[in-house]
Amino acid sequence: DAKTTQPNSMESNEEEPVHLPCNHSTISGTDYIHWYRQLPSQGPEYVIHGLTSNVNNRMASLAIAEDRKSSTLILHRATLRDAAVYYCILSEFSGGYNKLIFGAGTRLAVHP
Amino acid sequence: NAGVMQNPRHLVRRRGQEARLRCSPMKGHSHVYWYRQLPEEGLKFMVYLQKENIIDESGMPKERFSAEFPKEGPSILRIQQVVRGDSAAYFCASSPWTSGRAYNEQFFGPGTRLTVL
Repeated sequence: DAKTTQPNSMESNEEEPVHLPCNHSTISGTDYIHWYRQLPSQGPEYVIHGLTSNVNNRMASLAIAEDRKSSTLILHRATLRDAAVYYCILSEFSGGYNKLIFGAGTRLAVHP
Repeated sequence: NAGVMQNPRHLVRRRGQEARLRCSPMKGHSHVYWYRQLPEEGLKFMVYLQKENIIDESGMPKERFSAEFPKEGPSILRIQQVVRGDSAAYFCASSPWTSGRAYNEQFFGPGTRLTVL
């Protein structure tokens, strides 16, 4: 599985937008880009995924570079509940599942 | 619709004992995954199972660890003769049958925190 590079930590103020970057220069044509987050003392939670086009859902937006070598998770208005570790993961859909290989992620702190 | 359930939430074992971790997937889900998270680290994939079949166990330690997902009942992750290095949070995730789908989101449980004394 291709590797991703994320900043170790980021900070934001409540109600401001947050842009979480992810570099994946060795991405293959069949790799999906997934974002999961893990709140303190909880299991990971799916946020969003994409393949080539930008994606929006109720939680966030995913902006994918045209060459797919990087992507950005966008939280439009951060809340205190968004403080978590955010994982950017690449994997292909093969054999009926996506094998998720988690890295260290980005620890997001949200200040009131 | 209940989420993924794991029990126990906390488990304490002495070195040499056995640990059994249980995972009940979401209703209608036939795929189960186990992950391990050591303190201050990211999650590590261990094994992927479908009902009565182990599909991918590439992340499972070669000894002492085993997993099953029987036709009836929860998935079980079993650790024999536990050592201190097994202390970690163990997360289970589930996903639905994928026929006709091009993507399969995983839904995670709250985890079992194993402490080996």
